[in-house]
Amino acid sequence: DAKTTQPNSMESNEEEPVHLPCNHSTISGTDYIHWYRQLPSQGPEYVIHGLTSNVNNRMASLAIAEDRKSSTLILHRATLRDAAVYYCILQETSGSRLTFGEGTQLTVNP
Amino acid sequence: NAGVMQNPRHLVRRRGQEARLRCSPMKGHSHVYWYRQLPEEGLKFMVYLQKENIIDESGMPKERFSAEFPKEGPSILRIQQVVRGDSAAYFCASSPVGARGDQPQHFGDGTRLSIL
Repeated sequence: DAKTTQPNSMESNEEEPVHLPCNHSTISGTDYIHWYRQLPSQGPEYVIHGLTSNVNNRMASLAIAEDRKSSTLILHRATLRDAAVYYCILQETSGSRLTFGEGTQLTVNP
Repeated sequence: NAGVMQNPRHLVRRRGQEARLRCSPMKGHSHVYWYRQLPEEGLKFMVYLQKENIIDESGMPKERFSAEFPKEGPSILRIQQVVRGDSAAYFCASSPVGARGDQPQHFGDGTRLSIL
């Protein structure tokens, strides 16, 4: 499975935008970029995914570099409920499993 | 529209007993995945099942662990003769279509297994 690299932790203030980076320099042409988050004592929650183009949904935006070797998850206005571990995962076109790394622990300050 | 339901949420067993963890996928989903999260570690894939078939069990320990997803009823993860090292959170996920990179998986809130 292709590997991703994320910072261990990040901090943000409430109501401000948050940019969570992810490096995936060994990504293959058919790997999808997925983001999940895990709040304390809960299961992972799907956030967003993309292949080549930037994506937006009600939760977040995903910006994908032109060479696809990195991506950024954007939370437009952080709330206290966004405090979680965020995982950037590459999933093969024909893959079934998700390979979770360490993720980024996001702290949101009031 | 109910999400993935796992029960029990908490399960306590003594060493040597059996543990049965249940997972009901989201309505319309026929693909189920099990993951394990050991204390202070990340989630690890265990097994992927479709109705009545095990598709990928490469993440399952070779002994004591088994999984099934019958035609009717929930998926079951069974751990026989539990040991202290089995203490973990076990998460189930489901998807409507399997083995596709563009398919998100939807997770339940897990079963926390504690072995005394």
